[in-house]
Amino acid sequence: ETGVTQTPRHLVMGMTNKKSLKCEQHLGHNAMYWYKQSAKKPLELMFVYNFKEQTENNSVPSRFSPECPNSSHLFLHLHTLQPEDSALYLCASSQDWQARSQGTEAFFGQGTRLTVV
Amino acid sequence: AQSVTQLGSHVSVSEGALVLLRCNYSSSVPPYLFWYVQYPNQGLQLLLKYTTGATLVKGINGFEAEFKKSETSFHLTKPSAHMSDAAEYFCAVSQNTGFQKLVFGTGTRLLVSP
Repeated sequence: ETGVTQTPRHLVMGMTNKKSLKCEQHLGHNAMYWYKQSAKKPLELMFVYNFKEQTENNSVPSRFSPECPNSSHLFLHLHTLQPEDSALYLCASSQDWQARSQGTEAFFGQGTRLTVV
Repeated sequence: AQSVTQLGSHVSVSEGALVLLRCNYSSSVPPYLFWYVQYPNQGLQLLLKYTTGATLVKGINGFEAEFKKSETSFHLTKPSAHMSDAAEYFCAVSQNTGFQKLVFGTGTRLLVSP
């Protein structure tokens, strides 16, 4: 049990579908993140939320839409995706900026394996 | 801008042999450095981290890493490989500038043979 739970674990969707990925953390953290892991590429940071506010969007296409209703939950809404969006999507959480002096690490979920057909 | 370079996308060792996974970083400010491990179909798990203080850091599962500022390196080692160590390993760097934003390397897959 990592403390960060992602659902579903696997998702196959067509390019015209709309789906959502869910992430929930039980660690009392205030910052949550979405990462994309593609084959042979470094993990790419997509979005950062701190205290429910989006603080970073790394030039992610608008077909990916994040939502953070509270500090424990994070969603990634998907629509009209492309085959190149197929990847492992990882959610992570960490303490907020006030703990930065401790070099706090991020805790990751197991990821959602997304396949776009 | 920060960056991480992991030399070797694959490293093969025999069970009982020394494990050495290389990581070099680039950072304009004192970095925080991390090693994460990813087992098949799993998320990332923290192995160890360097923030400040002692440059030799010990982590879980017998791994350790040494921060060498002069070489801008943070190589991961384990004296004796075990079959269960087979996984992908990621080096990451972050700045102490606020939120925890990790910049990852491309990963090194460790293969352990009997």
